[in-house]
Amino acid sequence: QLQLQESGPGLVKPSETLSLTCTVSGGSISSNDDYWAWIRQPPGKGLEWIGSVYYSGSTFYNLSLKSRVTISVDTSKNQFSLNLSSVTAADTAVYYCVRESTTPIGIQLENWGRGTLVTVSS
Amino acid sequence: EIVMTQSPATLSVSPGERATLSCRASQSVSRNLAWYQQKPGQAPRLLIYGASTRATGIPARFSGSGSGTEFTLTISSLQFEDVAVYFCHQYNNWPPHTFGQGTKLEIK
Repeated sequence: QLQLQESGPGLVKPSETLSLTCTVSGGSISSNDDYWAWIRQPPGKGLEWIGSVYYSGSTFYNLSLKSRVTISVDTSKNQFSLNLSSVTAADTAVYYCVRESTTPIGIQLENWGRGTLVTVSS
Repeated sequence: EIVMTQSPATLSVSPGERATLSCRASQSVSRNLAWYQQKPGQAPRLLIYGASTRATGIPARFSGSGSGTEFTLTISSLQFEDVAVYFCHQYNNWPPHTFGQGTKLEIK
């Protein structure tokens, strides 16, 4: 069964860069049918899609964050990563890594990591 | 960007009764709409995609309907374990994927 696990610091200082890695196990990140996404959820609030990456390295970003976001993939490690620069308190959230699986019916966000809380504070 | 609006914000339903949750899109998303269930401290769980197709392992009491801009998630007979926040998600026009703000489902 496919599993995703986020890792990275739980506390980041304002103006610094938030860096997270997602390790995929039980399946290959090099699947033709899958994109690999980061989604975040501020405490007590809704979900915000940050962006996604294909195993080839092609990326898609939310325009609201595009100037600060970089998502990359390392197929040799079966991992993908998120960098979010110049963070502020508004970036405090639970960050999820997610498999976007494309099917004839549509996109399934079927596999989610457990999520990791990142707090931006000095 | 397509804006997804869910109603009501909170819904209280008695056990065994029907729960009906709504999601409206600011423009047509065809049937490219999914529903997720999120329990406290957990990641969202996919329930429905393609507006009406249940994901693997989802009980038959969960059903989805709608197309275009109006969608409904129905729980035919509410169970205690269904208490959660439910989100809709459109993937018709992306990036970005967008989500509704959620409906909190409570037991009356």
